Amino acid sequence: DIQMTQSPSSLSASVGDRVTITCRASQSISSYLNWYQQKPGKAPKLLIYAASSLQSGVPSRVSGSGSGTDFTLTISSLQPEDFATYYCQQSYSSPPWTFGQGTKVEIK
Amino acid sequence: EVQLVESGGGLVQPGGSLRLSCAASGFTFSDHFMDWVRQAPGKGLEWVGRSRNKANSYTTQYAASVKGRFSISRDDSKNSLYLQMNSLKTEDTAVYYCAREEIHYGGNSAGYWYFDLWGRGTLVTVSS
Repeated sequence: DIQMTQSPSSLSASVGDRVTITCRASQSISSYLNWYQQKPGKAPKLLIYAASSLQSGVPSRVSGSGSGTDFTLTISSLQPEDFATYYCQQSYSSPPWTFGQGTKVEIK
Repeated sequence: EVQLVESGGGLVQPGGSLRLSCAASGFTFSDHFMDWVRQAPGKGLEWVGRSRNKANSYTTQYAASVKGRFSISRDDSKNSLYLQMNSLKTEDTAVYYCAREEIHYGGNSAGYWYFDLWGRGTLVTVSS
């Protein structure tokens, strides 16, 4: 199975900060990488698919990049509603689909 | 309204069985691949399994951790997805989410799968 590793596991940031989260795959997955946001007690919400495509309704301050094994999720100016846990997920070839362990973004 | 609603969770003893349901509305359920994803308390997301659509013979795929114990089925006439869980273990304790798969075709005709719609989840607790 393809292993997904996110870093950092958690971070503290202030409103207005630029935040970058990294996701690394154990083998090349081309651009088959998705990003989700999850708030406590809620279902995950799709942010980015195919590494860099912004899901409809997601603010443009959120962006994704990367290909192969290394990917990043960037929030250009952190807003209060962005404090949450973020997960990457690979969808290369066929299941099993696997997720990163998550990155918790907390208020500094 | 486009939504997924899970039900059927609860407390079950180790070795027991439980059947979860997911009711879909607001979209053409029969067109989509549908999945179950779970999240143990305080932990990350774990893919459980997938049901392809009728055009793909309703074939199913499972995570190694549940293969042989869990079974996914669907009833397109009822817009419903099911997860039959047998021989439950304490490590199966989790919130179980139903999720819709969508596919995006890139410029090279490659298909990119992702989960674009999730239910609120139902909690399964396996404990004696």
